Amino acid sequence: DAKTTQPPSMDCAEGRAANLPCNHSTISGNEYVYWYRQIHSQGPQYIIHGLKNNETNEMASLIITEDRKSSTLILPHATLRDTAVYYCIVRGPNTGNQFYFGTGTSLTVIP
Amino acid sequence: NAGVTQTPKFRILKIGQSMTLQCTQDMNHNYMYWYRQDPGMGLKLIYYSVGAGITDKGEVPNGYNVSRSTTEDFPLRLELAAPSQTSVYFCASSRQGGSNSPLHFGNGTRLTVT
Repeated sequence: DAKTTQPPSMDCAEGRAANLPCNHSTISGNEYVYWYRQIHSQGPQYIIHGLKNNETNEMASLIITEDRKSSTLILPHATLRDTAVYYCIVRGPNTGNQFYFGTGTSLTVIP
Repeated sequence: NAGVTQTPKFRILKIGQSMTLQCTQDMNHNYMYWYRQDPGMGLKLIYYSVGAGITDKGEVPNGYNVSRSTTEDFPLRLELAAPSQTSVYFCASSRQGGSNSPLHFGNGTRLTVT
């Protein structure tokens, strides 16, 4: 499975957009990019996923580059409750039910 | 919708004791999973189920048992607790298998075995 690389930490001002990058340069054509977050002492929360096209839902937008080697998760108007660790994960047919979160990006939203 | 609900939230066991971790989901999902998360590590799959009456082993099944008598419930049983089973346990569900079906997780059970 493709490995992912994320910055260990980021800050964002409350009300501004938070842009979280992820590199997955070895991704295969049939592997999806997923984003989850984990707020302290809670379970991982699904945010969004995509294959090729950009995706948007009520929580966030996912921008995948044309070569699919990187992506960006966008939280359009960050709130204090968005402070969490964000994980970028690649899942494909060979992943099975494995779920490797890696170290993620710790996002702190500042008032 | 409550999503995936796990009970208890916390538990302390003595070595050799047994317990059942409860998991229920109200999303009518076919697939359910049990993972454990050790500090600083990713999730390791213990068992999973593709539907009522069907279960299969994951990466680390030793010391655990599961059953799936209904679509909603997927309890995890520890028969003889050992210190190595100290971990955070997450239950998850998905509508179907495959890499295009997101998993939805419960808030976990924090288990300490002393």
